[in-house]
Amino acid sequence: DVKVTQSSRYLVKRTGEKVFLECVQDMDHENMFWYRQDPGLGLRLIYFSYDVKMKEKGDIPEGYSVSREKKERFSLILESASTNQTSMYLCASSSTFDAGRETQYFGPGTRLLVL
Amino acid sequence: KQEVTQIPAALSVPEGENLVLNCSFTDSAIYNLQWFRQDPGKGLTSLLLIQSSQREQTSGRLNASLDKSSGRSTLYIAASQPGDSATYLCAVAPLVGGFKTIFGAGTRLFVKA
Repeated sequence: DVKVTQSSRYLVKRTGEKVFLECVQDMDHENMFWYRQDPGLGLRLIYFSYDVKMKEKGDIPEGYSVSREKKERFSLILESASTNQTSMYLCASSSTFDAGRETQYFGPGTRLLVL
Repeated sequence: KQEVTQIPAALSVPEGENLVLNCSFTDSAIYNLQWFRQDPGKGLTSLLLIQSSQREQTSGRLNASLDKSSGRSTLYIAASQPGDSATYLCAVAPLVGGFKTIFGAGTRLFVKA
């Protein structure tokens, strides 16, 4: 079974703090994604990575950056957390280059509260 | 720009009832459509994936249909059980720009025992 893990289930941070969210997958998938999920808005893509050190912006990249130094690990960074970044963050991975075309496997999510 | 809409936003049914969840999308140029399940506070689990050339997919008590020309998909759940209570999300992969899957906001289902 594919396993996608996220470093924290719940996080509470202060405005202005630098926040790191970590995601690890164990199936050697090329593609990894970061989404945020807000009530009534569904999932929105923040960033996508199709290989080590490669990244593409999604629909809402502002205020976020990402890092992929190893194939199995994809990090989301909030450089200076703001209250409007309070959300559920979901990581996913998939196995083909044309990533949106195959099933994405999701982690359990990190619920972030920025005070 | 592709938009995915799911109606209703929430649904409550008695156990045993057959039910249909609806998903509509605005751009028929899709590669595939997926239905996911999400339990409260958890990630998404893929239920069914329908390629654009297919009309339906079945898995156990679940059946998903796709009508690209009308921009609609339905998820049929037979003989619903309390364990089916969850949020069901529909997601569309575009024909171009494949990694930007577009998700609906979901239908929250509650099956009463």
